[in-house]
Amino acid sequence: DVKVTQSSRYLVKRTGEKVFLECVQDMDHENMFWYRQDPGLGLRLIYFSYDVKMKEKGDIPEGYSVSREKKERFSLILESASTNQTSMYLCASRVTPGQALYGYTFGSGTRLTVV
Amino acid sequence: AQSVAQPEDQVNVAEGNPLTVKCTYSVSGNPYLFWYVQYPNRGLQFLLKYITGDNLVKGSYGFEAEFNKSQTSFHLKKPSALVSDSALYFCAVRAYNFNKFYFGSGTKLNVKP
Repeated sequence: DVKVTQSSRYLVKRTGEKVFLECVQDMDHENMFWYRQDPGLGLRLIYFSYDVKMKEKGDIPEGYSVSREKKERFSLILESASTNQTSMYLCASRVTPGQALYGYTFGSGTRLTVV
Repeated sequence: AQSVAQPEDQVNVAEGNPLTVKCTYSVSGNPYLFWYVQYPNRGLQFLLKYITGDNLVKGSYGFEAEFNKSQTSFHLKKPSALVSDSALYFCAVRAYNFNKFYFGSGTKLNVKP
C-alpha cells in the first residue's frame, strides 16, 4: 500500500516563527498536495506539485510556500506563522494527472497550533 | 466553477438503520466523484469512487453511493449503520480535464447504539 507520512502529528509554534511541515510518500507518485482542514470549510488546497521542483498555487496560498527538491518529499513552509494558520494540515499524493481513476492517498495530518 | 456541497453538517442515525449522507456537485464536463472518511485525528481514507458505468457504486465497509446525473448528486448510503461508522465523511469531485479535486465541507455521522 502507498504510504504518506507526515513527520509531526501535533505542533505548537509561536507567532512569527518559520514553520516546516514535512510529507514523504513511498510509491514514486508524481503529484503531491497540501490541504488545510477547518471545521465547516472542509479541505482547502494550499499548494500542489506535479513533479520535482514544480509547484502550483492552490486556492489559499497566501502565507505559505512549498519545496519539492526530491520526488518523495513535499514540504509546506509557513514563512511567519500567524494564529489564523492554526489548523489541521493534510498532505496527499497521487500517481499522475492523467490517471483520473485514482483518488488521493492522504497522510494522517499535522495539527498545528500557533500561539 | 467546480464545487461540492454537503448540505448537512451532521447526520444522526440509530445502529441498524439505513443511513444517507448527501452530496451535490457542480462541474464542467463529466465528473469524477469520490467519498472519503476521516476518523478522529487521522487522515482521509478512500471509500469509493464513480468514474463511469453503473450509477450505483459499491465501496469499502458496506458503503455504496448512487450517482444521479440529472440531480447532480452522489449520495452515500449504507443499508444498516454500525456504531463504528461514526466519523467525518467528505465528498470530492474533479472534472475530467481538470487536475484539482474539490472537497465538500464534510458531514459528521453519528451512529447511536
